Amino acid sequence: GAVVSQHPSWVICKSGTSVKIECRSLDFQATTMFWYRQFPKQSLMLMATSNEGSKATYEQGVEKDKFLINHASLTLSTLTVTSAHPEDSSFYICSAQGQYNEQFFGPGTRLTVL
Amino acid sequence: AQSVSQHNHHVILSEAASLELGCNYSYGGTVNLFWYVQYPGQHLQLLLKYFSGDPLVKGIKGFEAEFIKSKFSFNLRKPSVQWSDTAEYFCAVTAYNNNDMRFGAGTRLTVKP
Repeated sequence: GAVVSQHPSWVICKSGTSVKIECRSLDFQATTMFWYRQFPKQSLMLMATSNEGSKATYEQGVEKDKFLINHASLTLSTLTVTSAHPEDSSFYICSAQGQYNEQFFGPGTRLTVL
Repeated sequence: AQSVSQHNHHVILSEAASLELGCNYSYGGTVNLFWYVQYPGQHLQLLLKYFSGDPLVKGIKGFEAEFIKSKFSFNLRKPSVQWSDTAEYFCAVTAYNNNDMRFGAGTRLTVKP
């Protein structure tokens, strides 16, 4: 149980385009999901907390207009990187919160912006 | 806000050696503590967690961790490592009434066969 999927697993896009990443909890409902960025050989950096039915809470320094988060159902949260630029290239990871505050992580999405 | 320190950036061991990875956190209140593992090319998996009760927590794959409140520590241990334990290990903490999970920088473990 407690499986989280992400789609796509990797994406390459041109600078200026928008990319949507989906995060799904497959066998449980998650009121709260999280979005992280992970740079090579570094730890995860929390970008935002996504709550079902309400606006996401963004960490300091994360542009909410650039990284749009929608958590429309208890099993799906989406992250849209708008007008992507090469510096947005990264590994994006989502997680879904379990009943004891633990987090179950998705496999990640590697974004490359050309 | 809480923060987490992992002092060992890269640990290299031979098979059958014992492992201890350090994790210290800073937060004055009640915390929940976690260890995650990331095998090469795979996503983060939960190894073990501490919420309350017995401070010695046993997780999967023979790992255990001990919460020492007075030292603000939650070190990960395994008596005898295997080559398959080669991975990145992350310590994480949430405040008791807070969703925010903060991660340590991670410790890369390399086990030589």
